[in-house]
Amino acid sequence: SAVISQKPSRDICQRGTSLTIQCQVDSQVTMMFWYRQQPGQSLTLIATANQGSEATYESGFVIDKFPISRPNLTFSTLTVSNMSPEDSSIYLCSVAEGSGYTFGSGTRLTVV
Amino acid sequence: SQKIEQNSEALNIQEGKTATLTCNYTNYSPAYLQWYRQDPGRGPVFLLLIRENEKEKRKERLKVTFDTTLKQSLFHITASQPADSATYLCALSGGGADGLTFGKGTHLIIQP
Repeated sequence: SAVISQKPSRDICQRGTSLTIQCQVDSQVTMMFWYRQQPGQSLTLIATANQGSEATYESGFVIDKFPISRPNLTFSTLTVSNMSPEDSSIYLCSVAEGSGYTFGSGTRLTVV
Repeated sequence: SQKIEQNSEALNIQEGKTATLTCNYTNYSPAYLQWYRQDPGRGPVFLLLIRENEKEKRKERLKVTFDTTLKQSLFHITASQPADSATYLCALSGGGADGLTFGKGTHLIIQP
């Protein structure tokens, strides 16, 4: 199965700043997915990133807050912009494989 | 809106017994239902996928059933071991390029 390297693994950021999370896959994939897991909550899909086109955002998530880049078939970034303490969460990227999805190990973000 | 319910309380099982976890969903007609394992500080790991036209799937000590009439899946771990202790997530997808919709997960504790 694909191996996903996600970084940073954790960060503590000041409110009002932005953080860019990187996801590198060891094989070419068409779709990459970004999720958020708030404390005690389920994983929630933020957006789907397809190489060569704009990301598709789920209800409640907007491009200005969570801009995504997908420059090639093995890499994607998610930026959390103008952060507030409510953005404190774990952010994960994921790719679909023949059966099931593979996830990165996540980025634990704390906004102070 | 779509809703997935899993046992919110921790499930304590004695080693060697069968652990059974429940996933119920509403307002959804999934093409696939998947189960994942998540350990603290890690991303979810894919375990099993079952399609809407399948009743049961097995993999080693794991068994999943899927009842689309009841809108329910049961996840069984036989001959449970302390190493099986983790949070288990149920996830649904419509197929194709869809991301996943997750339940909150059930925290399983296998007591030696």
